[in-house]
Amino acid sequence: GDSVTQTEGQVALSEEDFLTIHCNYSASGYPALFWYVQYPGEGPQFLFRASRDKEKGSSRGFEATYNKETTSFHLQKASVQESDSAVYYCALGENQGGRALIFGTGTTVSVSP
Amino acid sequence: DPKIIQKPKYLVAVTGSEKILICEQYLGHNAMYWYRQSAKKPLEFMFSYSYQKLMDNQTASSRFQPQSSKKNHLDLQITALKPDDSATYFCASSQYNYAEQFFGPGTRLTVL
Repeated sequence: GDSVTQTEGQVALSEEDFLTIHCNYSASGYPALFWYVQYPGEGPQFLFRASRDKEKGSSRGFEATYNKETTSFHLQKASVQESDSAVYYCALGENQGGRALIFGTGTTVSVSP
Repeated sequence: DPKIIQKPKYLVAVTGSEKILICEQYLGHNAMYWYRQSAKKPLEFMFSYSYQKLMDNQTASSRFQPQSSKKNHLDLQITALKPDDSATYFCASSQYNYAEQFFGPGTRLTVL
């Protein structure tokens, strides 16, 4: 079945550092890809999506580009702030008739001042 | 004002009992979903509804039964509760099928 792999379980950064979280997917065709962010005690918040090869999604300074060749959708931010500390999830929309979002295992980002 | 309301926020139940988790969305969306998040598994899809009709069910157990009394309501009834059911249950909604989904704050269920 379809799946999403996030390489980093935890990332520790200082303010103004560059952030990269790697996301690779396994699915046929062109599934929609998403990034969500979750703060403690809250539900996941939609960041952005991309649906086509080479399409860039972005929001709040975060961005990711859909890459069909490498089956990737890596999240990046040029200069993180302490307020960016959260858990980030990559997800894909099922391609074969289902409506489920399939989430990766999440990456905990901790930014120190 | 919160756009997706889940009640209660915390719930403690005893093994074998039955509970209902409430979800209401005020986003005008046509599709609603339930997900589960536990220490063992990340966010895990359970059900999807579109225009009050069940579209997808990826929950193996019939102990989990969604109930949609109104277009903007999707409750989750759980019977014969087990300690393994302990998790945070999230309701979500989207404008239409396959669109981005927006999540509620969750109900944290603990089964003793």
